[in-house]
Amino acid sequence: SQTIHQWPATLVQPVGSPLSLECTVEGTSNPNLYWYRQAAGRGLQLLFYSVGIGQISSEVPQNLSASRPQDRQFILSSKKLLLSDSGFYLCAWSRGLNEKLFFGSGTQLSVL
Amino acid sequence: AQKVTQAQTEISVVEKEDVTLDCVYETRDTTYYLFWYKQPPSGELVFLIRRNSFDEQNEISGRYSWNFQKSTSSFNFTITASQVVDSAVYFCALEGYDKVIFGPGTSLSVIP
Repeated sequence: SQTIHQWPATLVQPVGSPLSLECTVEGTSNPNLYWYRQAAGRGLQLLFYSVGIGQISSEVPQNLSASRPQDRQFILSSKKLLLSDSGFYLCAWSRGLNEKLFFGSGTQLSVL
Repeated sequence: AQKVTQAQTEISVVEKEDVTLDCVYETRDTTYYLFWYKQPPSGELVFLIRRNSFDEQNEISGRYSWNFQKSTSSFNFTITASQVVDSAVYFCALEGYDKVIFGPGTSLSVIP
């Protein structure tokens, strides 16, 4: 069966510090991978998605970047965090276009 | 441009009442998919249903039912005989030719 792992569950970081959130998927190959952010107020904002290794699509200009160094690994990074980067970050995967999303358990990031 | 609107921000119902969550979407894609996801207090989103744009049949799954009306661009979700465990944030989502767009979510509270 397929599983998705996302860590850490919670993270408190000072402004200006770097960030690295990791997401891995097991039990499938060549998944589509996604990073979403859910700020206070619940809306889900798509940040990045990837249909293959090294292929990253960015949805909104921001202080964050994403990388996919391996088929089932998706990393969300920042060189210098801003207060506005605080939120709940969700990683997700799907088998392909128009397929349902499987979500990770999320990372609550607080930038202080 | 694609857009998903969930006009109801918060809904409270008493247990055993029926409740309908509204979803209205906009897209120029001729083929698209609609989804509903549930986010319980634990934070992890759970897939509920997927419907493609060519299938307007209503669907029922236990206490859940969905009404897809292409003419009004709506994909509403009804919970019959609500239970406390139904308390969660519910998201409607749309996927056309590339990415998934989520609505802002509706927070449902079922009061015992």
